[in-house]
Formats: sequence, C-alpha cells, structure tokens
Amino acid sequence: EAGVTQFPSHSVIEKGQTVTLRCDPISGHDNLYWYRRVMGKEIKFLLHFVKESKQDESGMPNNRFLAERTGGTYSTLKVQPAELEDSGVYFCASSQVPRYEQYFGPGTRLTVT
Amino acid sequence: QKEVEQDPGPLSVPEGAIVSLNCTYSNSAFQYFMWYRQYSRKGPELLMYTYSSGNKEDGRFTAQVDKSSKYISLFIRDSQPSDSATYLCATWLVWGGGNKLTFGTGTQLKVEL
Repeated sequence: EAGVTQFPSHSVIEKGQTVTLRCDPISGHDNLYWYRRVMGKEIKFLLHFVKESKQDESGMPNNRFLAERTGGTYSTLKVQPAELEDSGVYFCASSQVPRYEQYFGPGTRLTVT
Repeated sequence: QKEVEQDPGPLSVPEGAIVSLNCTYSNSAFQYFMWYRQYSRKGPELLMYTYSSGNKEDGRFTAQVDKSSKYISLFIRDSQPSDSATYLCATWLVWGGGNKLTFGTGTQLKVEL
C-alpha cells in the first residue's frame, strides 16, 4: 500500500511569488490534514479535510494560504504571495477516520528568499 | 504558554542505555497521548499511544502518562543506533478540540555505538 506522497520535496521561491504544494493521501482515506513546522518550532496544525469539505481550518495563518481538495482525493496548498516567514516544512497526513493515528507524508521543504 | 512542552535536546546516549524522554502539557482536557518518531527527511510515524493515565509497553518501549502532573514520558530500553531519530510527543482531544494533533517541539536522540 502506497503511503502519503507529497510534491515537491523541496521548493525555493522568492518573496512575493506563488507556490503550490500537493499531497496525495493513502487511497481510501477520507481525512486529510495539513501541518507546518517552522524552524525551531513545533509542528502545527493548519487544516483538516473530510473528503472535499474543510472540517477545520482554524490553523491557517492568513488569507495568503488556500487549500483545496479536488473530488476528495489529492489536496493542494497554495501560498500567494509567499513571505519570508512562510519558510518551513509542510506536512500532509491522512487517516480513514478522524483519529490520533495519522499517516504523514515526507513533507515539502519550502524556502522563501 | 505552549500547550505541549518538550526539551529539544539533542540527547546522546551509548548503545544499550535506557533513554527517558519527557513532555508536559497544559490542557487537562487532553485524553490521548502519543509518541511519534521522525527519521531525518521523513514524516512523523506513530510509535505508541496511551489513553488517559497509565503505562503502555511495546517491546523495548514504554509510554507513561501522569494526568495529575500533566507529564508524558517515553522510556526506551536497550537503546540501539536505529533508535536515533527525533521523538515527538503529541496530544489529541476527542471532543471539542477538533481532529488535530498538538505536538511538542521534539527531542533529537542519538544512540552511539
């Protein structure tokens, strides 16, 4: 069974540019989560999808971040325009039902210069 | 105040040592307590979980929760070089907290030959 995959693994962009991160959850997992780790800080929750619906987006830092989940399958997280403080590792996780056991992808390392 | 506090380390021990990793948390409503392990350039992976107070053992690993003092521990016996990783404590609420994991900053462990 394939795990959670994320693309790209690393992205370097300039301040003001746009970046789109993609996550493919484990097949059959209706629940998809985005988390972010800024250097030196803990991994923090961004949002939670159930199928294509946003269940909880309380962790989204501001309106420069837009998450979508097309047809309840893969998800994208777009940052527009990117700021320096957006640098960090963005993790995607999925689970069949909402629970503490979430399967994480390897993360996308975003560097904004 | 952070909801989950964890000493970031790094912690270096010789092979075969007993390792003790610890976290404290602030929200007495937390009910599930997890330890995730993260190898370099990988996503976190659930190692163990405990519901409410008590101990849970799995091979060389023992997770312990003391809700009266809001203290979470992970003990690793007969540590191996393959245990070298970052260990993240996390909490999860069943009701009212959304379906999100709340992480500590992680403790980097190195087990040396």
